[in-house]
Amino acid sequence: DGGITQSPKYLFRKEGQNVTLSCEQNLNHDAMYWYRQDPGQGLRLIYYSQIVNDFQKGDIAEGYSVSREKKESFPLTVTSAQKNPTAFYLCASSFSGNTEAFFGQGTRLTVV
Amino acid sequence: AQRVTQPEKLLSVFKGAPVELKCNYSYSGSPELFWYVQYSRQRLQLLLRHISRESIKGFTADLNKGETSFHLKKPFAQEEDSAMYYCALRGSGGFKTIFGAGTRLFVKA
Repeated sequence: DGGITQSPKYLFRKEGQNVTLSCEQNLNHDAMYWYRQDPGQGLRLIYYSQIVNDFQKGDIAEGYSVSREKKESFPLTVTSAQKNPTAFYLCASSFSGNTEAFFGQGTRLTVV
Repeated sequence: AQRVTQPEKLLSVFKGAPVELKCNYSYSGSPELFWYVQYSRQRLQLLLRHISRESIKGFTADLNKGETSFHLKKPFAQEEDSAMYYCALRGSGGFKTIFGAGTRLFVKA
């Protein structure tokens, strides 16, 4: 069953702790993305990666880090430096070029 | 700077009425434009892209470079069209895709 999978669906963390969100795809896509979705602000790009071992900052990268050690995986770490981490996080992937992005179901992170 | 603006947060129409969801963009070059839709409890998914010039579920969108717009239109709205709609832009040859704030469409019976 092909697709893009995010886990967990819900995540609760204490303030000051780092937390890593998982994103895996078996679509053989080259590019992967992380977006943050907040009410009234749409999707804002955090990081994206066009190829293994390479990634670029998006518009709101501060307080986040990523890695792309495998083509299938693009984990996002929300660090303690992120001032307002509570949000809904969406991962996506696509082939290179002008192709559509496929999205995961999302992870809702709540920091208490 | 790249920017996508969807001026309406909420759009409410009656079933059978025409609907137009507005999208304006800012980009110095030739962008690729997309409309994505998110139905209740489903993943965000592509609705249509300007380059294919196709009609999906009765929706069409024309890229107007003069007005830098990519409005989404449907002549007769259906209740199942109720969803969140996002306009998105990608620079030509690039990977970075940015989204607008979204418009929630509510089609009333």
